[in-house]
Amino acid sequence: NAGVMQNPRHLVRRRGQEARLRCSPVKGHSHVYWYRQLPEEGLKFMVYLQKENIIDESGMPKERFSAEFPKEGPSILRIQQVVRGDSAAYFCASSYRPGESYGYTFGSGTRLTVV
Amino acid sequence: AQSVSQHNHHVILSEAASLELGCNYSYGGTVNLFWYVQYPGQHLQLLLKYFSGDPLVKGIKGFEAEFIKSKFSFNLRKPSVQWSDTAEYFCAVNAQGSGNTGKLIFGQGTTLQVKP
Repeated sequence: NAGVMQNPRHLVRRRGQEARLRCSPVKGHSHVYWYRQLPEEGLKFMVYLQKENIIDESGMPKERFSAEFPKEGPSILRIQQVVRGDSAAYFCASSYRPGESYGYTFGSGTRLTVV
Repeated sequence: AQSVSQHNHHVILSEAASLELGCNYSYGGTVNLFWYVQYPGQHLQLLLKYFSGDPLVKGIKGFEAEFIKSKFSFNLRKPSVQWSDTAEYFCAVNAQGSGNTGKLIFGQGTTLQVKP
């Protein structure tokens, strides 16, 4: 399967712990987008990264959330000191170019549960 | 700011019934339009997209959508639904042009339940 790989699929964290979500884009894709889906809501854009650069983080909460996409390895979405409200599905999508006509390939998501 | 509104949050149909899901967007410029489907526990899959040209777009699995620019609408249709169409459907837009970073603005989603 050459699609976007996200892991883990399910993640349970206690309040105050850190959550690390990983996204391996489609081979050859250098653009990664993270979205969050809260219960009963649509997906909300969080951040757009290219290799080693954050391009648009307008959807990221100001505190506790960070993202990176290093030269080597997967993109990481990091949530520090998680709270119950962080419980959601986090989806990653990758593309060959930004805004390209072909759209994205989405991963299967990581479902974060904060207890 | 861009926004997308899906009018129906939960739709229940019997097999073979016709489907139309409403989607309206708010944006002053030119947009690309998408419909995605999310089957239970799975990732989003692209059903169809509109960028330019014929406003009636045909997608996979017998779905189609019509872009009506004057109404800022991009409604999804299927003449005859099947039980396997049970899923959540999302309308999305992104802005065309030099400032387009590719981020999508999604509607709230519509849950479709098809009864056998």
